[in-house]
Amino acid sequence: ETGVTQSPTHLIKTRGQQVTLRCSSQSGHNTVSWYQQALGQGPQFIFQYYREEENGRGNFPPRFSGLQFPNYSSELNVNALELDDSALYLCASSAGSMGEKLFFGSGTQLSVL
Amino acid sequence: AQSVTQLDSQVPVFEEAPVELRCNYSSSVSVYLFWYVQYPNQGLQLLLKYLSGSTLVKGINGFEAEFNKSQTSFHLRKPSVHISDTAEYFCAVREGGFKTIFGAGTRLFVKA
Repeated sequence: ETGVTQSPTHLIKTRGQQVTLRCSSQSGHNTVSWYQQALGQGPQFIFQYYREEENGRGNFPPRFSGLQFPNYSSELNVNALELDDSALYLCASSAGSMGEKLFFGSGTQLSVL
Repeated sequence: AQSVTQLDSQVPVFEEAPVELRCNYSSSVSVYLFWYVQYPNQGLQLLLKYLSGSTLVKGINGFEAEFNKSQTSFHLRKPSVHISDTAEYFCAVREGGFKTIFGAGTRLFVKA
């Protein structure tokens, strides 16, 4: 079975730009969640998608948005990038919206200059 | 509201010595508890989880953790560490909903 894959692995943007990060979930998983991990911190929950619907959101502004597609892959979009958005963005998939075990991708390292 | 406190930001230890990484959580309801490990430039990997039942949970790579409800703790232990255990360890809590809350992490550094 294939694991969780994220693209790109690294990205450099300038303040004010928009970015799209992509995630392919593990085979058989219908739930994807996104996390932001700042340097030296634990992952912070952004939101979760279950069967193409957002069913939970953390304390992030509306310029953080997402999509989940029929094949359960997902995108994270961030508009009007700020310097503080620089972080490792992790995607995790699980089986079911209450599935307790998260399978993580290796992340996308975003640098905002 | 849920929160997770990892009491040590860094733990240096010699190879083959025992180690304990401490974690306390706060929650008003029953929770699921987890420990994840993150190696450099990688995502997080589940070490072990507590959902219910026995309070002593065994995980991969020889790690185990004990759930203590009265002390709201979930400390991670290993009786003998290896160089390859050097990594960042995250304690996490989930109240049964969709949101998993992570601690700030503990950097385990195993010295030869």
